[in-house]
Amino acid sequence: ETGVTQTPRHLVMGMTNKKSLKCEQHLGHNAMYWYKQSAKKPLELMFVYSLEERVENNSVPSRFSPECPNSSHLFLHLHTLQPEDSALYLCASSPVGGYGDSPLHFGNGTRLTVT
Amino acid sequence: DQQVKQNSPSLSVQEGRISILNCDYTNSMFDYFLWYKKYPAEGPTFLISISSIKDKNEDGRFTVFLNKSAKHLSLHIVPSQPGDSAVYFCAARYGGATNKLIFGTGTLLAVQP
Repeated sequence: ETGVTQTPRHLVMGMTNKKSLKCEQHLGHNAMYWYKQSAKKPLELMFVYSLEERVENNSVPSRFSPECPNSSHLFLHLHTLQPEDSALYLCASSPVGGYGDSPLHFGNGTRLTVT
Repeated sequence: DQQVKQNSPSLSVQEGRISILNCDYTNSMFDYFLWYKKYPAEGPTFLISISSIKDKNEDGRFTVFLNKSAKHLSLHIVPSQPGDSAVYFCAARYGGATNKLIFGTGTLLAVQP
C-alpha cells in the first residue's frame, strides 16, 4: 500500500467515549500533521511532528491528544469530545526541510461525528 | 483573522473554457504558495505550487500566477474539463523546517459539459 492511510474512515462516538484515529504513511516522510476541516472553514492545523518530536501545537484543547511512535505512524486520541468537534480529521505527511515546495500528502480523512 | 482568503465559494464554467480561481493573502513572510484539489470523500491532493520569488509557474493545463505587490495569486485551468470539478484550496507556507501550510476556505469549481 502506498501514500497516506487513515482509519477509520467514519467514526461516531458519544461525548463520554474514548477513541483513537490512526494514520500511516508509506512515503518515507519524516514529518506528520493533523488537520481539522469543519464545514465552511479553512483546514486548521492542529499538530505537527517532525522526526517524531512534536513541534507545533496550535492551541488545541487537551481532549485531543496526539501520539507519534515512529515516523510512519501518527495517532490522535480522543476523549470527552463535544458535538462541535464533529469534523473531517485529515492526516498528512511531508519530508522535513524547507527547501522546495515539499507539498503535504494527505490521507482521505476520518469523518467524526460526536453525539 | 484569516491570512489566506478565497472569496469565491463557487465557480461554474463551460467545458473547454478557462477557469480562474483567485486567492489573496496578508502575510509577506510566506515563501511558497500551493494549490490543492479535493474530490468528495477524498483528501486534498497537491496540484501546483509557486515560489514567492517567481511570478508564474505552468504545468500542463494549470498555470499559477503570483502578484506579490497585490498579495494575490490565481490558478488558471485551460481548457477546463468536467473531471476538474472539485474544491480547490489555496495554501501558503511559512518557511522553515516544517511545512506549516495555511489554507483558504476553498472554491467549488463546477465544469459543465
